[in-house]
Amino acid sequence: GQNIDQPTEMTATEGAIVQINCTYQTSGFNGLFWYQQHAGEAPTFLSYNVLDGLEEKGRFSSFLSRSKGYSYLLLKELQMKDSASYLCAVKELTGGGNKLTFGTGTQLKVEL
Amino acid sequence: EPEVTQTPSHQVTQMGQEVILRCVPISNHLYFYWYRQILGQKVEFLVSFYNNEISEKSEIFDDQFSVERPDGSNFTLKIRSTKLEDSAMYFCASSEAEGAWYGYTFGSGTRLTVV
Repeated sequence: GQNIDQPTEMTATEGAIVQINCTYQTSGFNGLFWYQQHAGEAPTFLSYNVLDGLEEKGRFSSFLSRSKGYSYLLLKELQMKDSASYLCAVKELTGGGNKLTFGTGTQLKVEL
Repeated sequence: EPEVTQTPSHQVTQMGQEVILRCVPISNHLYFYWYRQILGQKVEFLVSFYNNEISEKSEIFDDQFSVERPDGSNFTLKIRSTKLEDSAMYFCASSEAEGAWYGYTFGSGTRLTVV
């Protein structure tokens, strides 16, 4: 089984930088993914990490430490449209193959 | 950019009725999934499907649920006798491969309301 923890809510200012943390426990780690979800819409892929370190993708970066069971998503130059839920999801090797399990999400509010 | 498409976008059904949710995965993808999200809660895994077989299913995916790939393009989720607690957003997803480097692409979802 898995346990994925991330903060429920965060608030940040337009133009600032925000870091959303995620900790996880899993027996068959096979990748960590970050998704963005606006209310009533589908999750959309942002970033992923398989190996330790930082992956940068424009305004979004994600970091992984497998030994610590820890990841963060860094959002730079925040815009109002970045107000959304950010979902940490862990891919786990199971008897049936791979399974992607989501955390509860962090609701980010970007203010002026 | 290739998309996963789902129909209908909204469905209202009476308790006890059967519903079929439809999905067209991305054409070169081989792995298919259904997830659901009850309002205000997290996205939950229901089932994964590969090579015309269920690969894995969650505790939620009981005998009331079934999946099928009736032809080369559609992937369906059937709920035989809907309950009030089945009201949720249902997302279909697909993936090109299963390795660590492959993420899932999600469809826009079907909002199912059971009354």
